[in-house]
Amino acid sequence: QLQLQESGPGLVKPSETLSLACTVSDGSISSSNFYWDWIRQPPGKGLEWIGSIYSSGSTYYNPSLKSRVTISVDTSKNQFSLKLTSVTAADTAVYYCARHLMSQLHSPWDYWGQGTLVTVSS
Amino acid sequence: SYVLTQPPSVSVAPGKTARITCGGNNIGSKSVHWYQQKPGQAPVLVMYYDGDRPSGIPERFSGSNSGNTATLTISRVEAGDEADYYCQVWDSSSDHVVFGGGTKLTVL
Repeated sequence: QLQLQESGPGLVKPSETLSLACTVSDGSISSSNFYWDWIRQPPGKGLEWIGSIYSSGSTYYNPSLKSRVTISVDTSKNQFSLKLTSVTAADTAVYYCARHLMSQLHSPWDYWGQGTLVTVSS
Repeated sequence: SYVLTQPPSVSVAPGKTARITCGGNNIGSKSVHWYQQKPGQAPVLVMYYDGDRPSGIPERFSGSNSGNTATLTISRVEAGDEADYYCQVWDSSSDHVVFGGGTKLTVL
């Protein structure tokens, strides 16, 4: 059974860069034909899509975050990562990684990580 | 940008039918997915491509999509169905995901 696990600092200072990794178990990112995504949820609020990366490395980002977001794949570690620059308190959220059900961006996510809370505060 | 509108809350008595709507301009031309999220947990896919049910999701869950409204219907509602529900589409005109604001289903 595929498993996804987010990891990274739980506290980031304002104006700094948030960095998270999602480790994929029981499945290879490089040999798969899937999109891998980051989604976040501010406390008490709804879901917000951050972006997607294909196993080949092509990316799609939420236009509202595009200038600050980079998603990349590290096949040697079977991980994909998120970097969000110049963070503010508005970036405080639970961050989820997830995999699409099929090899199309319009497909839903069927596997999710448990989520990790990142707080932006000095 | 494309907007999906959900009612903030829906309340239903146990055993009755809950209908959660997701409104969007010509949403019937898009594929809609639905997620259930319980407190402190990651979302779970409960309906995809309008009306397909993932394995493990009870037959009490069904979905439809036409015109400007997609609907997730939960029949014979149980206490365990109490959760937040989110609709989601891929907006191909701008190449990004759009979520509805979420609906809190309360079982009375």
